Amino acid sequence: QVQLVQSGAEVKKPGAPVKVSCRASGYTFTSYAMHWVRQAPGQRPEWMGWINAGNGDTKYSQKFQDRVTLTTDTAARTAYMELSSLRPEDTAVYFCARLTALAPMYAFDLWGQGTMVTVSS
Amino acid sequence: IQLTQSPSFLSASVGDRVTITCRASQGISSYLVWYQQKPGTAPKLLIYAASTLQSGVPSRFSGSGSGTEFTLTISSLQPEDFATYFCQQLYNYPFTFGGGTKVEIK
Repeated sequence: QVQLVQSGAEVKKPGAPVKVSCRASGYTFTSYAMHWVRQAPGQRPEWMGWINAGNGDTKYSQKFQDRVTLTTDTAARTAYMELSSLRPEDTAVYFCARLTALAPMYAFDLWGQGTMVTVSS
Repeated sequence: IQLTQSPSFLSASVGDRVTITCRASQGISSYLVWYQQKPGTAPKLLIYAASTLQSGVPSRFSGSGSGTEFTLTISSLQPEDFATYFCQQLYNYPFTFGGGTKVEIK
C-alpha cells in the first residue's frame, strides 16, 4: 500500500527542537523528493523545504533556512524534519508530501497524515 | 509569489455549480495545483498543471487558466464536496498556497 506514515503528536517547550518522521511504503523511496509543509490552525499551508531522497540534496524556504534540517534514512525508508529553537508560533500540523512527476508537470500526490506539534511553556 | 483566492467562504446547496478563483501576483504559466482538504486530514490532490484532473477525482471537478488567473469549478456540488479548497503554485520557490476557500452547506 502506497502511503506515508508520520510520527505522533509532540508537545514542546519554547527553545526546544522537534524531530518528525515520515515513513514511506509501497513505492521506491529513493526515486522521489520529499517535501515538508506545515499548517497552523485555521491558516493556509506553508511550504518548508524538500529533500531528494536519492542523494540527500536539500532546499529550504528562506523563512526556515536557519532552523530546519531535512534528512533521510534510506534503509528505513524514512524522512525526517527537525525544527530547532521552537516558538509558540511554530504550533502547527506538519505534513510530509511526495512530489511526483505528473506530465507535463508535477504535484504533491501523496501526503502523510500530519503530526501536530504544540509549543507551549 | 502570492496567491489570492476568492471567495474565502461560500455557502452553496447540493447540485449547485461552484467556481473558485485563484490569482497569482506574477505569471506562473500553468504551474498551479488545486487541493481539497477536510478537517483533520491532509490535502488531497484534485487538479495539477492548472487543468489536468488527478486520477480518481470525479469529473465534476475541472480547472482552467494560465498566467495569473485560475479557476476551479465544481459542476454539481455533492455532499462530500463540502470542504476547504487551496491552490498552490509550483513555479518557483517557495511553493506558496492560496488562503483557501471554505465551501459550506447552505
